[in-house]
Amino acid sequence: EVKLVESGGGLVQPGSPLKLSCAASGFTFSSNWLNWIRQAPGKGLEWVASINPDGSSTYYPDTVKGRFVVSKDNAKNTRYLQMNNLRSEDTAMYYCARRGTGIPVFDYWGQGVMVTVSS
Amino acid sequence: DVQMTQSPSNLAASPGESVSINCKASKSISKYLAWYQQKPGKANKLLIYSGSTLQSGTPSRFSGSGSGTDFTLTIRNLEPEDFGLYYCQQHNEYPFTFGSGTKLEIK
Repeated sequence: EVKLVESGGGLVQPGSPLKLSCAASGFTFSSNWLNWIRQAPGKGLEWVASINPDGSSTYYPDTVKGRFVVSKDNAKNTRYLQMNNLRSEDTAMYYCARRGTGIPVFDYWGQGVMVTVSS
Repeated sequence: DVQMTQSPSNLAASPGESVSINCKASKSISKYLAWYQQKPGKANKLLIYSGSTLQSGTPSRFSGSGSGTDFTLTIRNLEPEDFGLYYCQQHNEYPFTFGSGTKLEIK
């Protein structure tokens, strides 16, 4: 069974860093893209990062480019989202989602982890 | 960036009825549109991708149509478990963008 579990969320002050983890089971990240998507309280979904299977390509929207970095640890079958210089507008539930094999969209999602940026 | 305009924001219907949710892209995205369902306490669920391709496990009462800029998700013969939030997402180009969501409630 494919499963994604996020961890590492919490309450941080503006300007602080935070690193989220996405652990996979039931498949290996070496075969699939991994994406991070967030949802501010009461708002819609916003894609924030993608990484390809070997980690050689990453993509970000302008809203987080230069502040967020996605990375990998194939040995642990885990992907990470390093978030730097956090702002109040980064407060959201963060989901990791797998891009399906042969399916160009997010076929499995984690339950999400909450990040709150506040002083 | 491709802006996705989803309508209506809210929709109320009774079990057994049919409903349609619309999604309009700010420019052509060919057929590359996906639909997701979101329910509290559950992982988001992929329903349809590439406009009309049902994801494995999606009931046949769900259907997607459209291409270019205009797309529709239709749910026929609503079941109680269909109520929740629905989002469209374009997967034609980066940055991937989502619609603002449609809340489908029981009438």
